[in-house]
Parts: sequence; C-alpha cells; structure tokens
Amino acid sequence: RKEVEQDPGPFNVPEGATVAFNCTYSNSASQSFFWYRQDCRKEPKLLMSVYSSGNEDGRFTAQLNRASQYISLLIRDSKLSDSATYLCVVILPHSDTDKLIFGTGTRLQVFP
Amino acid sequence: GAVVSQHPSRVICKSGTSVKIECRSLDFQATTMFWYRQFPKQSLMLMATSNEGSKATYEQGVEKDKFLINHASLTLSTLTVTSAHPEDSSFYICSARKRPGLYSNQPQHFGDGTRLSIL
Repeated sequence: RKEVEQDPGPFNVPEGATVAFNCTYSNSASQSFFWYRQDCRKEPKLLMSVYSSGNEDGRFTAQLNRASQYISLLIRDSKLSDSATYLCVVILPHSDTDKLIFGTGTRLQVFP
Repeated sequence: GAVVSQHPSRVICKSGTSVKIECRSLDFQATTMFWYRQFPKQSLMLMATSNEGSKATYEQGVEKDKFLINHASLTLSTLTVTSAHPEDSSFYICSARKRPGLYSNQPQHFGDGTRLSIL
C-alpha cells in the first residue's frame, strides 16, 4: 500500500464549481499535513497546511480526519487559474529531519 | 520570503555524460537540503537528504555512487548524476528547510527543478 494515496483524476469542472479532493495516508504516526499545488513542469508550491481543527484560506478549505487517516481539500468557486495538480503531502516523524511524502497528485482542470 | 535557486533548469546531453545540478538557498542558511526525482505522472520521490558537512543519507534503492551529493556550505548542495543514461531522464527538484530543529510545520522551500533528458 502506498504511504499517501490520491485519486489521480483528472477532475474536469466548470468555472464557479465546488470541487473536493481526498487523500489517505497509511502511517498513523504521521505528524503534519499539507496541500501543495504543482503546475505542469514546475516545482510544487505550498498551498496550505492542514490542521486538526480544519482550516480555511479564502476559497480553499482543508480538513484532517486522524481517525480515518484522510485529508481533504475543498475548492469553492473554481477559477481557470486553479487548473493544476494538487499534491497531498505528509510528514513522517524521523528524528530531526522532516521527510515529506508526496501523493501522486490529483489533476484539476477548470473549463470556461 | 525564502528562495531556493536551482541550476540548470534544463539539460539535454548524451548518454554517459555526468551532469551536475546546483541547489542554492539565497537568503537563508540551510543545514539540510533534499533531492527529489519526479517521473511523468508520478509523485515526487525523495532520493536523498543532504546534510551540510556530512555524508548524504540516501533512500532505499537510490545508488549513492550514481547520484553524488555534496553539501559543502550552508547555502549550496550539488547533485551529480554520473554516467547518465536515458533511464535517468527525469525532473530533479531540490528543497531546503529554513531552520534546523524539530519544527515539522516548517515547510520545505523548493527550487525550480531541473529537467534532465539523456539521449
């Protein structure tokens, strides 16, 4: 089983739609969680951290469910510029060196 | 904000050539840098953790003699792909953590990546 699993998509949605992605992780000792965004042939960029209580940043809402070991990202009012691959990232406890484990990403395509 | 510079951004070379990729933290000291590789439609895979002044720690399955890592200063780590072959063609990305310690919420800052194509 992969350490971090995501539905690869693609998710094709119209502008203005609400779309949600889920991600599951296998290691219950995982400490920190993030969503990154990666545009084609570019480096990943941090979108937001995911906190246990859930957190929101504008149109983006992240949720964490430790009991079920999944993380979600909700995007409201989708924009064309939201088209990208969204990477779920988990940090595994590892002495003093953070190890980022990336999911394969979920591709989002927003159309006019 | 923190910036990590990676160079070159694109390399095309013949099989058997050795290729060096540089990763620099521009406005902060990075005691630890990370090297990832990403094949098309796959996730970023950690290759190795580069520690300033000491040997790199390689992930399982990554040949340390093939992928030489040097972290000679607090702002520079290099990855050399020795005797590269077509199967080494990939997107290589470095990242740096801004501060040492156990603060797992501190994200890593990524370089722009290097697209390596071996003919």
